[in-house]
Amino acid sequence: ILNVEQSPQSLHVQEGDSTNFTCSFPSSNFYALHWYRWETAKSPEALFVMTLNGDEKKKGRISATLNTKEGYSYLYIKGSQPEDSATYLCAPYNNNDMRFGAGTRLTVKP
Amino acid sequence: KAGVTQTPRYLIKTRGQQVTLSCSPISGHRSVSWYQQTPGQGLQFLFEYFSETQRNKGNFPGRFSGRQFSNSRSEMNVSTLELGDSALYLCASSWLTSGLTDTQYFGPGTRLTVL
Repeated sequence: ILNVEQSPQSLHVQEGDSTNFTCSFPSSNFYALHWYRWETAKSPEALFVMTLNGDEKKKGRISATLNTKEGYSYLYIKGSQPEDSATYLCAPYNNNDMRFGAGTRLTVKP
Repeated sequence: KAGVTQTPRYLIKTRGQQVTLSCSPISGHRSVSWYQQTPGQGLQFLFEYFSETQRNKGNFPGRFSGRQFSNSRSEMNVSTLELGDSALYLCASSWLTSGLTDTQYFGPGTRLTVL
């Protein structure tokens, strides 16, 4: 069983705030970790795929880090905007199995 | 370039029936993965296909099956439908041999309702 935990479950921030979320997962037989952004009534959008311990990736104001030895990843959003409001999902791929976390629901207030 | 397409978009079936969903990947993509999203269980991985072969499979009963054709289009079949199979079924495509280590591009999904 692959336990994937995301925290917090939900987050309300003001426009301009920076924020971060956590994804924790079993570290054994790790292959890759995916981060997705899922807006209501849309399809999940891939943000990052990370495979190496110590990986850091950046896409505009969003960045992510990966620690495969201890089994966690952080997603950072700098200067949140209302259009960042979405659910952010992580999904590690271990042991030929891919599991999704329950997500962090971010609401950015203007 | 056209995105991932799924048909049909909405479907209503009754318990005991079977259903087939279709997914056409982005042109050139050879890996297709299927996912189920329900309010209770969240998003769950069903299976992944590459070059007409199932490469990975999630923890779902044998009623859930799939296949991939030589043009990379994929179908998913659910037999003997149960009420709990009501869900949004998403497919995603990617370039690499193992789509699960590559960026995945999702389709709009098929909303299945089982009555």
